[in-house]
Amino acid sequence: EDQVTQSPEALRLQEGESSSLNCSYTVSGLRGLFWYRQDPGKGPEFLFTLYSAGEEKEKERLKATLTKKESFLHITAPKPEDSATYLCAVRTGGSYIPTFGRGTSLIVHP
Amino acid sequence: EAGVAQSPRYKIIEKRQSVAFWCNPISGHATLYWYQQILGQGPKLLIQFQNNGVVDDSQLPKDRFSAERLKGVDSTLKIQPAKLEDSAVYLCASSLAGGDTEAFFGQGTRLTVV
Repeated sequence: EDQVTQSPEALRLQEGESSSLNCSYTVSGLRGLFWYRQDPGKGPEFLFTLYSAGEEKEKERLKATLTKKESFLHITAPKPEDSATYLCAVRTGGSYIPTFGRGTSLIVHP
Repeated sequence: EAGVAQSPRYKIIEKRQSVAFWCNPISGHATLYWYQQILGQGPKLLIQFQNNGVVDDSQLPKDRFSAERLKGVDSTLKIQPAKLEDSAVYLCASSLAGGDTEAFFGQGTRLTVV
């Protein structure tokens, strides 16, 4: 059975304190790994799609990387407005069903 | 560009009652998804439509849940009868195509079953 595990469950940072969120997966035939940001009371907002090991994508203070077993979302010099829950999801070949992790709740203190 | 619209935003019903949620996707998006997100968990796909046809509904509890997509545009998700464990946020999303394309989510409907 496909599994997606995100860690840590919660993370508190000071403004400017860089860190990384982890998404590990055990799936066969990965077709894509997706990162989303979700603010309280809102739907997830798409951030990145990664397709193959070694791929990296960046957007402002966020950088997503992918290996054969996990993905990292690096947050450089975070600001309070980066506070949100970050979700990852994987889609495998032959299945239309994306499997989401439980998310990492990030709080950035000023 | 208008986003995905959902209504209502909140709904409180008693168990065994019926409830319906409505979704209007982004114009031109062929693929529409309904997700269930229980508090503290990631979204779980219930059903995926491509235009007005069902692509996957393997995780939809068909004894009580039903969904349709009228004319390949708007969609409704119905629960009849509701159970306590159906309390969750129901999210609608749409994308230009299925597969790996980016999905845009609505704000969701928060359902509380008492």
